[in-house]
Amino acid sequence: EIVLTQFPATLSLSPGERATLSCRASQSVSSDLAWYQQKPGQAPRLLISDASNRATGIPARFSGSGSGTDFTLTISSLESEDFAVYYCQHRSNWPGLTFGGGTKVDIK
Amino acid sequence: QVQFVQSGAEVKKPGASVKISCKASGYIVTAYAVHWVRQAPGQRPEWMGWINVDNGNTKYSETFRDRVTITRDTSAKTAYMHLSSLTSEDTAVYYCARVVGPVDVWGNGTTVTVSS
Repeated sequence: EIVLTQFPATLSLSPGERATLSCRASQSVSSDLAWYQQKPGQAPRLLISDASNRATGIPARFSGSGSGTDFTLTISSLESEDFAVYYCQHRSNWPGLTFGGGTKVDIK
Repeated sequence: QVQFVQSGAEVKKPGASVKISCKASGYIVTAYAVHWVRQAPGQRPEWMGWINVDNGNTKYSETFRDRVTITRDTSAKTAYMHLSSLTSEDTAVYYCARVVGPVDVWGNGTTVTVSS
């Protein structure tokens, strides 16, 4: 079973700063990794699929990179609406889904 | 637009069962499986299982295999998730979802609270 580990658990930043979030897989997942944003009381929202493809309507300040076991989600300049929890996810033992533990981006 | 509308919040006693519905619209429902994912307070999402809406085949997470049943009514464009033998650890928000690789559409969520 593939385990996804996200770090840091919490990232305290100011609006306008750059956010770098990491996700590490316990074994290679090739590029089969997605990123989601979740705000309180809402369902997760797809940001990135296949490690680096922005979903429809996602602003260009969000970008994803990586392959194999190490992945990064970068928010180039934080906007007020970006303070939320972010999860990485892999489709494991199809059709199962595995999620990382999340990174909370909060206001410094 | 593509969307899933789920049934309302439930409060159950330990040992009881719950059945949640998920009505799809905006796409050909037999073209995609419906997955169920739950999220306990402060925890990561947890995959429970899925159903092939076209033929009714199902697959369940080992974690829930003995307690969960997913069904569908294609004429009603609705999927159902039944979870039995509830404990306080089943208190969570339950989502139905469409998976096209990643999850591209989530339901609005159904809160299930298990309390004596």
